[in-house]
Amino acid sequence: NAGVTQTPKFRVLKTGQSMTLLCAQDMNHEYMYWYRQDPGMGLRLIHYSVGEGTTAKGEVPDGYNVSRLKKQNFLLGLESAAPSQTSVYFCASRAGGSGELFFGEGSRLTVL
Amino acid sequence: AQTVTQSQPEMSVQEAETVTLSCTYDTSESDYYLFWYKQPPSRQMILVIRQEAYKQQNATENRFSVNFQKAAKSFSLKISDSQLGDAAMYFCAYRSAKGATNKLIFGTGTLLAVQP
Repeated sequence: NAGVTQTPKFRVLKTGQSMTLLCAQDMNHEYMYWYRQDPGMGLRLIHYSVGEGTTAKGEVPDGYNVSRLKKQNFLLGLESAAPSQTSVYFCASRAGGSGELFFGEGSRLTVL
Repeated sequence: AQTVTQSQPEMSVQEAETVTLSCTYDTSESDYYLFWYKQPPSRQMILVIRQEAYKQQNATENRFSVNFQKAAKSFSLKISDSQLGDAAMYFCAYRSAKGATNKLIFGTGTLLAVQP
């Protein structure tokens, strides 16, 4: 009954360090998304994927890269972390059509 | 580009009373979906209710119902018989029914407090 799983749940980085957030879903969903949540700003789309091997930019893509080498996994990378990237990151997935969006539990990232 | 606006950053309601959360959106499309998500302190995003734009009938899920006014581009959430467990951040969201992306666009949220 895993659904959408994000790892790690918490991470503290220093400015300039790199890291990768992993999102895994076991529902065979085509679509996957990475959002960031900041106070007073709701959830903003970073990158998304409409299928294995595809990625596209969302609303706030700068400073992030993504990869979808396997259908079940969607990786979000920060090559050189900045304090402005301190946020809570959510991964989500859905099937095609009018499918409901399923969210992971979120990953809190702090960049010092 | 589509936008979603929630003009009430915070709301408060007494337990057992009714509260309405407001949401407006802007789109030039005719076919889309609207959602209300609940985010309790656990941070988990929980789908509360959804509405297909082509349906005139307002969606209802137990104590939760919506007032969907397509012409006015308004989508409010009514919570009846409020319970302490309803305290959470509520997000309104829009998604186009067309195109390969179908991105979910969120409002900025309304923080609902439930007073005992």
